[in-house]
Amino acid sequence: NAGVTQTPKFQVLKTGQSMTLQCAQDMNHEYMSWYRQDPGMGLRLIHYSVGAGITDQGEVPNGYNVSRSTTEDFPLRLLSAAPSQTSVYFCASSDEGQPQHFGDGTRLSIL
Amino acid sequence: AQSVTQPDIHITVSEGASLELRCNYSYGATPYLFWYVQSPGQGLQLLLKYFSGDTLVQGIKGFEAEFKRSQSSFNLRKPSVHWSDAAEYFCAVGAGTGGFKTIFGAGTRLFVKA
Repeated sequence: NAGVTQTPKFQVLKTGQSMTLQCAQDMNHEYMSWYRQDPGMGLRLIHYSVGAGITDQGEVPNGYNVSRSTTEDFPLRLLSAAPSQTSVYFCASSDEGQPQHFGDGTRLSIL
Repeated sequence: AQSVTQPDIHITVSEGASLELRCNYSYGATPYLFWYVQSPGQGLQLLLKYFSGDTLVQGIKGFEAEFKRSQSSFNLRKPSVHWSDAAEYFCAVGAGTGGFKTIFGAGTRLFVKA
């Protein structure tokens, strides 16, 4: 069972570079979301989606972009990386709304 | 705006002792409430959830939580802690239409001593 797959697991970027964090789920879940986790701050919601073609902003959307062209995939794009975006990123999916299944995370460092 | 407060950054309990982790939320309507656990070997996992009805909800791994509307609280409890319960615990509230916008607290790290 693959569940929620995130790639890459680790990434180092330079300030100003762009990149896409990939997230795929094979459970046919309608709901998907992206979180970032920073020490002492828990998980903060970046963007979420309630189905293909439908996305909405979370708590900290600035500097990030998402799209949901298929049920399976929910990529997160960093438009112009900044050191403040150094974090661990988690993708989650669910068939109920709240996150149920999480990926293993992507550890991102911006230099 | 909705928010979640977990007053304790970390808690230490002895193995076999009871546990209560505190959670307070702020939300204008009836909330959807959740507890998650994050441990190195198992990643992030949903422990239990409250949508409506009985205010005492049972979860996995012997955990339970009680919703108290008058106190805006949703505390997590376990009668007897095992060493394997050492982890970080997050309370969360589902807000917005359908509760899809899930907001997490900052977390409480649980240490278990022998």
